[in-house]
Amino acid sequence: EIVMTQSPATLSVSPGERATLSCRASQSVSFNLAWYQQRPGQAPRLLIYGASARATGIPARFSGSGSGTEFTLTISSLQSEDFAIYYCQQSDMWPLTFGGGTKVEIK
Amino acid sequence: EVQLLESGGGLVQPGGSLRLSCAASGFTFSNYDMNWVRQAPGKGLEWVSVISSSGGSAVGSTNYADSVKGRFTISRDNSKNTLYLQMNSLRAEDTATYYCAKNMCGGRVASCYRFDQWGQGTLVTVSS
Repeated sequence: EIVMTQSPATLSVSPGERATLSCRASQSVSFNLAWYQQRPGQAPRLLIYGASARATGIPARFSGSGSGTEFTLTISSLQSEDFAIYYCQQSDMWPLTFGGGTKVEIK
Repeated sequence: EVQLLESGGGLVQPGGSLRLSCAASGFTFSNYDMNWVRQAPGKGLEWVSVISSSGGSAVGSTNYADSVKGRFTISRDNSKNTLYLQMNSLRAEDTATYYCAKNMCGGRVASCYRFDQWGQGTLVTVSS
């Protein structure tokens, strides 16, 4: 199976600052990469699909980039509601797999 | 408005069985492949299973994570807009919140297998 590795595990950022999250695949997943946000006690929410396309209703401060095995989620200016856990997921090959998550916390 | 409402979770002993349901509304259920994704307490997300839009027993209409293959069965009733997960031979490591999740698009291509709608989840606890 394709192993998705996210780094760092925890990212401490001040409100208004930029956050950069990484996701690496153990083999190429082309552009078949999605990012999700999960706030405490809530279900995950789709942020980015196709590596760089924003899902419906997602603010422009969220952006995704990358292809193949290296991907990045950038939050340009962190708002209070952005402090959450972020997961990447590949859909290039069965089984579908998620990364272990990056927790973005308030510095 | 799309809604996915899971039910059927609870406490079950190791080796026991449980059937989860997910009632869907707000979209044409029969057009989309549907999934179950689980999350153990304090842990990350794990995809569990998928079923094609039409369901059925044809080869390739369902797929499972290795961790549940042979123990869990996914099914759907398009006339009732409901997704199911039959869980047998449950183990402590199956303890998790189980979410149903809708594929983003109606095709059977890799780019569709991301999840644009999720239920609120139902907690399954396997313990004696």
